[in-house]
Amino acid sequence: NAGVTQTPKFRVLKTGQSMTLLCAQDMNHEYMYWYRQDPGMGLRLIHYSVGEGTTAKGEVPDGYNVSRLKKQNFLLGLESAAPSQTSVYFCASSYRRGHNEQFFGPGTRLTVL
Amino acid sequence: AQSVTQLDSHVSVSEGTPVLLRCNYSSSYSPSLFWYVQHPNKGLQLLLKYTSAATLVKGINGFEAEFKKSETSFHLTKPSAHMSDAAEYFCVVSGGSQGNLIFGKGTKLSVKP
Repeated sequence: NAGVTQTPKFRVLKTGQSMTLLCAQDMNHEYMYWYRQDPGMGLRLIHYSVGEGTTAKGEVPDGYNVSRLKKQNFLLGLESAAPSQTSVYFCASSYRRGHNEQFFGPGTRLTVL
Repeated sequence: AQSVTQLDSHVSVSEGTPVLLRCNYSSSYSPSLFWYVQHPNKGLQLLLKYTSAATLVKGINGFEAEFKKSETSFHLTKPSAHMSDAAEYFCVVSGGSQGNLIFGKGTKLSVKP
């Protein structure tokens, strides 16, 4: 099993450009999450999904959109990138909400110039 | 509401000496607690988890943590540090309002030869 995979691994954007980050998991998990990691801030939740076709906002959702058309995939979109979105983005999945451990992808390092 | 505080942003030890990474938590109910490790430019890996069973939890690579309800602490320890332990460690509590994990800000562990 590949676990949780993310593409791309690195990306550089100019302000105003758009892009989509793809997360895929092969563990048949219902729940998927997108986090961003910034120095000294830990990980903060952007959006999450509790199942195919459902998404919800997390702690820092502004400037991002998500879609979960298939159970195994969770897409994170930036419609008009800003320098404040320079970060490392992690996708995670879990079998259940709450107390269940989450499995993380390797991350996408995004720089917005 | 759940929260977690890692008491040290940086800990430096010599190889072969004990490691102590401190974590206090706040939770309105009995939480699940986790320690994750992140090696440079890598994703997050689960070290260990506490889910209301034994209060002393053993994890991978010789790490363990003790859940102390009276002190609301979940400190991570290892008897003898190895160079490969140099990484950033995150204390995490479950049960965020969106079912997500709440991350501490991280403790960077340096190991000197």
